Amino acid sequence: GQNIDQPTEMTATEGAIVQINCTYQTSGFNGLFWYQQHAGEAPTFLSYNVLDGLEEKGRFSSFLSRSKGYSYLLLKELQMKDSASYLCAVRDNDYKLSFGAGTTVTVRA
Amino acid sequence: ETGVTQTPRHLVMGMTNKKSLKCEQHLGHNAMYWYKQSAKKPLELMFVYNFKEQTENNSVPSRFSPECPNSSHLFLHLHTLQPEDSALYLCASSQDAGQGWEKLFFGSGTQLSVL
Repeated sequence: GQNIDQPTEMTATEGAIVQINCTYQTSGFNGLFWYQQHAGEAPTFLSYNVLDGLEEKGRFSSFLSRSKGYSYLLLKELQMKDSASYLCAVRDNDYKLSFGAGTTVTVRA
Repeated sequence: ETGVTQTPRHLVMGMTNKKSLKCEQHLGHNAMYWYKQSAKKPLELMFVYNFKEQTENNSVPSRFSPECPNSSHLFLHLHTLQPEDSALYLCASSQDAGQGWEKLFFGSGTQLSVL
């Protein structure tokens, strides 16, 4: 089966930077997604990586290394509203999407 | 507003009850999905419909029965559930469930409790 690992919880201070790592072992690779999910709300799309390197989108950046089966989501200038769960998801050779269990980020004042 | 609406938001049912979850998408998408989200566990894909045809049944027990009357509506009919079925049930849609990268649009989910 597919295996996607990410830390369960992370805590950081407002204004700081947090890096959420995701490692994966899947049957092939056709892209990696990051979603944000606030408590009681729908997951929403943050980023997509299919080639190695860094994708930057405002305060959020996502990095991918396919040879290492590794990605990270970087959140800069943390704000209280960034407190949420962050889900890593990988699409395999059959274009099926598998999710990690999510990382709950708590931003403290 | 994500464009995907799920009702009800919360549901409590006994093991002998029959209930249905409803999902509607206003995005003009052709693919719809049911996911199960349990605490501290990865999202589990349950069913996929593409152009109203079921293309994926991820070994889901028959007490869960999906229905997709058109590309905008998706139902999940529930009967004789077990307490371990208590979870958040998320509906999602995408332009097409075929090849190519697909961004999913999720609803806010139905929090189901089975007593």
